[in-house]
Amino acid sequence: EAGVAQSPRYKIIEKRQSVAFWCNPISGHATLYWYQQILGQGPKLLIQFQNNGVVDDSQLPKDRFSAERLKGVDSTLKIQPAKLEDSAVYLCASSFIGGNEKLFFGSGTQLSVL
Amino acid sequence: AQKVTQAQTEISVVEKEDVTLDCVYETRDTTYYLFWYKQPPSGELVFLIRRNSFDEQNEISGRYSWNFQKSTSSFNFTITASQVVDSAVYFCALIPLNNAGNMLTFGGGTRLMVKP
Repeated sequence: EAGVAQSPRYKIIEKRQSVAFWCNPISGHATLYWYQQILGQGPKLLIQFQNNGVVDDSQLPKDRFSAERLKGVDSTLKIQPAKLEDSAVYLCASSFIGGNEKLFFGSGTQLSVL
Repeated sequence: AQKVTQAQTEISVVEKEDVTLDCVYETRDTTYYLFWYKQPPSGELVFLIRRNSFDEQNEISGRYSWNFQKSTSSFNFTITASQVVDSAVYFCALIPLNNAGNMLTFGGGTRLMVKP
C-alpha cells in the first residue's frame, strides 16, 4: 500500500516569496491534515480536512497561509508571502475517518526561508 | 485546552540498556486518547500505540511497553534492551473527545540516541 506522498522534499526561498507544498494521502482516507513542525518542537496542526471540507483551521495564519483539497483527494498548502519564522518541516498526514484514529504521515517538506 | 509535556529533551544510552521516556499530560476532558509516535531521521512519524482514557492496563509489544497511570496523568514508554535502530525522536500526543474542536496535541518530543 502506498503511503502519504509529499513534494517537494526540500525548498529554499527568500522572505516575501511564495511557496506551495503538495500532498497525496493514502487512497480512501477521508481526513487529511497539515502540520507545521519547527525544529526541536512537536508537530502543530495547521488545518484538517474531511473530504473537501475544512474541519479545523483555527491555528492556520490565514493572512499568509492557505490550503485547499478541491476534489477531496490531494491537497496543496501555500504560503504567501513567506516570513523567516515559517522555516519548518511541513508534514501531511491522513486517516481513514479522523477523530481518535492513528495518523499516517508523509516524510514532510523542509522549508528554509532566508 | 490540553497540554502534553515531555520533560526529557534528549536521552543517550548504550545498546542493550533499558530506557523510559516520560510523558505527562493535562486535559479537562474525561474521555481522551493518548498516542506515541516515533520519528526516525527519514522524517515521517510512525504510529506506535493508542490508549483510551478508560483503559489503564499496561501494554507490552515486543521490546516496547507502556505504563498508563491516570492518577498521575502519565503515559510512559519503556524500551527494553535498546538497539541502535531505536534512535529517533519520540512524541507523546493526546486528543480529547468531548469537545467539538478537538485536535491532536503533541508534546515537544524526546530525542533518543542509542550508541553501539
